[in-house]
Amino acid sequence: ILNVEQSPQSLHVQEGDSTNFTCSFPSSNFYALHWYRWETAKSPEALFVMTLNGDEKKKGRISATLNTKEGYSYLYIKGSQPEDSATYLCAHAPNFNKFYFGSGTKLNVKP
Amino acid sequence: NAGVTQTPKFQVLKTGQSMTLQCAQDMNHNSMYWYRQDPGMGLRLIYYSASEGTTDKGEVPNGYNVSRLNKREFSLRLESAAPSQTSVYFCAIQTSGGFDEQFFGPGTRLTVL
Repeated sequence: ILNVEQSPQSLHVQEGDSTNFTCSFPSSNFYALHWYRWETAKSPEALFVMTLNGDEKKKGRISATLNTKEGYSYLYIKGSQPEDSATYLCAHAPNFNKFYFGSGTKLNVKP
Repeated sequence: NAGVTQTPKFQVLKTGQSMTLQCAQDMNHNSMYWYRQDPGMGLRLIYYSASEGTTDKGEVPNGYNVSRLNKREFSLRLESAAPSQTSVYFCAIQTSGGFDEQFFGPGTRLTVL
């Protein structure tokens, strides 16, 4: 079993703050790193798939970076809004059909 | 995700009872997965199926069996439910190969008393 860790476990920010969280994963056996957004009472929804060392992906105010050599990825949210409140999950894929999820970072953005 | 359906949405069982959780997809993808989600532990893979007729164990397969009889459906069976199996169960599908993400069903909330 591969260990994927996310930090912090939870985060409370004010509307307009920028924030970031970390996903660390085993640097050996890397195929892809996935980020998901998970709102309460809903299903996880894919944000990014990252495959190459140095990858940077962006979707609106959310962006992510990847370092496969040291085994970490950062997710950034610029100018947080209340609708960004959710749990953000990362998943390490050592091959194309197996995902190992972290326990997530729960973000709460206060108006 | 409208392409992945799960039944039932909620279920309460007594210890020792059996039940089957159903998952169906209309997206014509090969790979299907069963996860359980427990507080503070993220999603843990129970079983997966890379194609019709094949299944493999994930991280936490004990106490579960699965069946992939056709491309569309992947069921998860609890033969003798235990309180430790109280969880939210998610079915997911993934397109074949590539770097595609997984798409999740709405989940089944199971309580074992």
